[in-house]
Amino acid sequence: AQSVTQPDIHITVSEGASLELRCNYSYGATPYLFWYVQSPGQGLQLLLKYFSGDTLVQGIKGFEAEFKRSQSSFNLRKPSVHWSDAAEYFCAVGAGSGNTGKLIFGQGTTLQVKP
Amino acid sequence: DAMVIQNPRYQVTQFGKPVTLSCSQTLNHNVMYWYQQKSSQAPKLLFHYYDKDFNNEADTPDNFQSRRPNTSFCFLDIRSPGLGDAAMYLCATSRGEGTRQPQHFGDGTRLSIL
Repeated sequence: AQSVTQPDIHITVSEGASLELRCNYSYGATPYLFWYVQSPGQGLQLLLKYFSGDTLVQGIKGFEAEFKRSQSSFNLRKPSVHWSDAAEYFCAVGAGSGNTGKLIFGQGTTLQVKP
Repeated sequence: DAMVIQNPRYQVTQFGKPVTLSCSQTLNHNVMYWYQQKSSQAPKLLFHYYDKDFNNEADTPDNFQSRRPNTSFCFLDIRSPGLGDAAMYLCATSRGEGTRQPQHFGDGTRLSIL
């Protein structure tokens, strides 16, 4: 069965420090992978996606993620975190069939940024 | 800007009193989804429409129903809300065409049950 694991429930980093959020997936075929961010009281915003090709993908807000098939991972990174990055981050794998894009989400990682 | 709009942002209802949440989109997407998200949890898919075709998740309670009268609008009806139904409800859309298409989310409706 498809699944997504985000091992870190809560991460705290200092503003300006680098960030890496971990994501591991279980999926039988080539996965379609997504990272979403959710600010308090708001919906989810797509940061980036991976379908195929270059395993390092760039997203919005200075985020990037690297797909590593051998490790079944799709970790999210940012070289320098800003206070406005504090939010909940969800990794997801596209697991639908036919014409619909069903998403399987990880449990999320809460990012806190210290001044 | 094209977007997904959910109304209201906050909804309070009484235990057992039917409530309807609404979602509209200007993206002209084929697929519309409803998710339930409880505090500190991932969104949980309740059901989705591909055009007018309704697809219910196996573990979605019968208490939850949905209507999609046209491409732009989709409604979530909770027939008899219980305390356990208090949550954020998220609407999302996608173009269809398989799982490659990212989903676009509204800002959600936070439902409270008195």
